Amino acid sequence: DQQVKQNSPSLSVQEGRISILNCDYTNSMFDYFLWYKKYPAEGPTFLISISSIKDKNEDGRFTVFLNKSAKHLSLHIVPSQPGDSAVYFCAASSNTGKLIFGQGTTLQVKP
Amino acid sequence: NAGVMQNPRHLVRRRGQEARLRCSPMKGHSHVYWYRQLPEEGLKFMVYLQKENIIDESGMPKERFSAEFPKEGPSILRIQQVVRGDSAAYFCASSPWTGGDEQFFGPGTRLTVL
Repeated sequence: DQQVKQNSPSLSVQEGRISILNCDYTNSMFDYFLWYKKYPAEGPTFLISISSIKDKNEDGRFTVFLNKSAKHLSLHIVPSQPGDSAVYFCAASSNTGKLIFGQGTTLQVKP
Repeated sequence: NAGVMQNPRHLVRRRGQEARLRCSPMKGHSHVYWYRQLPEEGLKFMVYLQKENIIDESGMPKERFSAEFPKEGPSILRIQQVVRGDSAAYFCASSPWTGGDEQFFGPGTRLTVL
């Protein structure tokens, strides 16, 4: 049972444009959501998070939106840069300590 | 302030051998988590430990896998009698407290079983 889903395996965007990565979840007990970025042969790096009591969190070029009624979150990167090319994972937590990850979306930002 | 350390980075074992993966959390972090990433998949939770205690091992296979986080020294993920299906990247993460806050990941150990 995949509780966190990233339905787009890949996304290609032109440099300077907006990248939008999507994530859906099924468990209404999740109360904290995170986005991680991962380069090949490295561990995931934390990007940004959002609590279920909020619907938006912004940090520089990165903004995460949460729609609880739709059980959907998205990560917006603007403007996109070639160095943003990586695999992006969304993850969810229900205050138990463990994170439940989606399958990942590979973002390619073209110069 | 060093990040999460994992060693070895690469480990090759033959079927039936034992694999030991080590993780040193970030300084000041007392919570350790192990995740496994199979090829073309996301990370899957395996086990959550605090010093000398296993808090949640719901993601650990029932046989051949064990984990510990002793009072002194790194956390160890041990896989006995490895099989080809154990080939994966194993990531350790640490956090200063439980629930909700971000976990900081190490670079991973890539296990290859021949």
